[in-house]
Amino acid sequence: NAGVIQTPRHKVTGKGQEATLWCEPISGHSAVFWYRQTIVQGLEFLTYFRNQAPIDDSGMPKERFSAQMPNQSHSTLKIQSTQPQDSAVYLCASSLEGMGGSQNTLYFGAGTRLSVL
Amino acid sequence: QQKVQQSPESLTVSEGAMASLNCTFSDGTSNNFRWYRQHSAKGLEVLVSIFSDGEKEEGRFTAHLNRANLHVSLHIREPQPSDSAVYLCAVSPPDSNYQLIWGSGTKLIIKP
Repeated sequence: NAGVIQTPRHKVTGKGQEATLWCEPISGHSAVFWYRQTIVQGLEFLTYFRNQAPIDDSGMPKERFSAQMPNQSHSTLKIQSTQPQDSAVYLCASSLEGMGGSQNTLYFGAGTRLSVL
Repeated sequence: QQKVQQSPESLTVSEGAMASLNCTFSDGTSNNFRWYRQHSAKGLEVLVSIFSDGEKEEGRFTAHLNRANLHVSLHIREPQPSDSAVYLCAVSPPDSNYQLIWGSGTKLIIKP
């Protein structure tokens, strides 16, 4: 089991460009989460999919951020017109099913460090 | 809304001495608490999950939960320099089965 795989590990974009981040959850996990991590704000929830369906995107900045899960083996987070304040580490996590019990531990990928110049 | 705070912000401990980290929360009706750690430039690794008051041990890591005191702690027995990392406390709000409220972390340094 390779764990949650995120690509790329590092991405540098110019202000106004688009960035697409990829996540491959652990096989068999039905829940996928995206978080953003910064020094100032810590870990911030962005969005949650269950069985590929979007369940909660309350943490997503609506104007420029979007997330999709076209199949059970990958999810993408797209940021349009990137701004310097989008610079952060974006973490993807998966769990067997939601977070309701002892078996539903979140397993995190190594993250994508996005730098917007 | 559940609030989670960790202390201390930073902790230096000598190799082999016990390391103790603290996490307080505002809503004692939560029943899902987890400790994670994050090595520099890496993802988060779950250490201990605890769901009822008392103690839960996973190898050298022991969590103590006391919901009446709104407190969960993590104790690391015989820490090694490789345990140097940021340790994060996460609490599920009582009204959600997927949300996690995160503490801001404790940076632990283990001196050889």
